[in-house]
This record gives sequence, C-alpha cells and structure tokens, in this order.
Amino acid sequence: GAVVSQHPSRVICKSGTSVKIECRSLDFQATTMFWYRQFPKQSLMLMATSNEGSKATYEQGVEKDKFLINHASLTLSTLTVTSAHPEDSSFYICSARYVGERETQYFGPGTRLLVL
Amino acid sequence: AQSVTQLDSHVSVSEGTPVLLRCNYSSSYSPSLFWYVQHPNKGLQLLLKYTSAATLVKGINGFEAEFKKSETSFHLTKPSAHMSDAAEYFCVVSVPGSYIPTFGRGTSLIVHP
Repeated sequence: GAVVSQHPSRVICKSGTSVKIECRSLDFQATTMFWYRQFPKQSLMLMATSNEGSKATYEQGVEKDKFLINHASLTLSTLTVTSAHPEDSSFYICSARYVGERETQYFGPGTRLLVL
Repeated sequence: AQSVTQLDSHVSVSEGTPVLLRCNYSSSYSPSLFWYVQHPNKGLQLLLKYTSAATLVKGINGFEAEFKKSETSFHLTKPSAHMSDAAEYFCVVSVPGSYIPTFGRGTSLIVHP
C-alpha cells in the first residue's frame, strides 16, 4: 500500500517553456503532499507543502510564481515549472501522507527535468 | 527547531560484513525518526520508522535501528551487507504538530565484493 506515482519520469524541454509534473497517490487519499528538489549528490530540498483545497506553503527562497503548485484533489498534486531555464534542471520528487499516518511520507519515483 | 546530522558522507563495507550508518538528531519535542533509501535516479523508499513505540525498530531488507534518547541517536544497522544495499541513505526527523520533515545530508553506502 501507500504507492505514489509521478509523471513524467523524465522530461526535456526548451528554455522558456513550462513543464507540468503530476504526483498521484494511488491507493490512499493524501491530505498533504510535499515537493522536493534534489541536486546531484545532495540531499532533498523541500520546496513547498500543499494541502488539498488550499494554497501551497512555500519554503523561503522558492518563487511561488515560478513553481506553481496545485492540489485540487486528495489524490493529485501538480507542480508547474513556468518559463523554465537551464538552472531549473534538476530531479523533482513528491511525497504524500495521509490522515491515518501523519508522520510518514511516501515518495514518488521522481521526475528528471532537463532544460536546454 | 529540529536538525539531523548524518555523521558519514560515505561508508564502505565488504559484502557479508556488518553495516552501520550513523544519525544524530536534535529536537525540542519527542521526534519521529525515519530512514529512507534511494537508489540512483529513483525516489525514496521507507526502510523503517520510529514513532514513540518500541525503541528497537526493524525494517525491510534486514535493516534495523535503535532510538537512543540519551544519545540523541538513531543509527541504522544491518548484520550482513549485500551488493544490492549499495545506495544513498537518508535519516529524517519530524515533530508532532507540523510534521514538516528535516533531512540529513545523506550517506552513500558502498559495498565491495
């Protein structure tokens, strides 16, 4: 149980375009989802926390107009990287947790974004 | 405030020998502690967690960890390493209420044949 999927797993785009990444909880309702960014050989950096039906809470230094997060349902959150630039290239990982097990996060497989 | 320190950036062991990955934490409240494993270009998989129940926690793939409040530690161990254990391991702490996680920097486990 507690499976989280991400789509796409890998995306290559041109500079200036926008990219949407989906995060889905497949077998549970996720009251909270998290979005992380991971640079090579580094730990995960929390970008934002999203609760279903409300605005996301962004970490300091993360541009909310650049990284749009929508959590429209209890099983889906999306991250849109707007006007992507090469420096946005990274590994993006989402995680989800549910009411019955608030302490534990279940992670998606990640999305590799390459901006040319 | 909460923080996590993974004391080793790299740990190298031979296959069949014991594994010890060290983690110390700091928290103003009774924490929940987790170990996750990440294989290259993959997401994170939960190995085990401590959430104020038994202090010795058994996880998947033969891993276990012991919560020691007096030492503020939550070290991960395995009696015998397998080649497939080679990966990045993250220690994570969260506190009741916010449940916002704090990640350690990660420890890369290298397993030699």
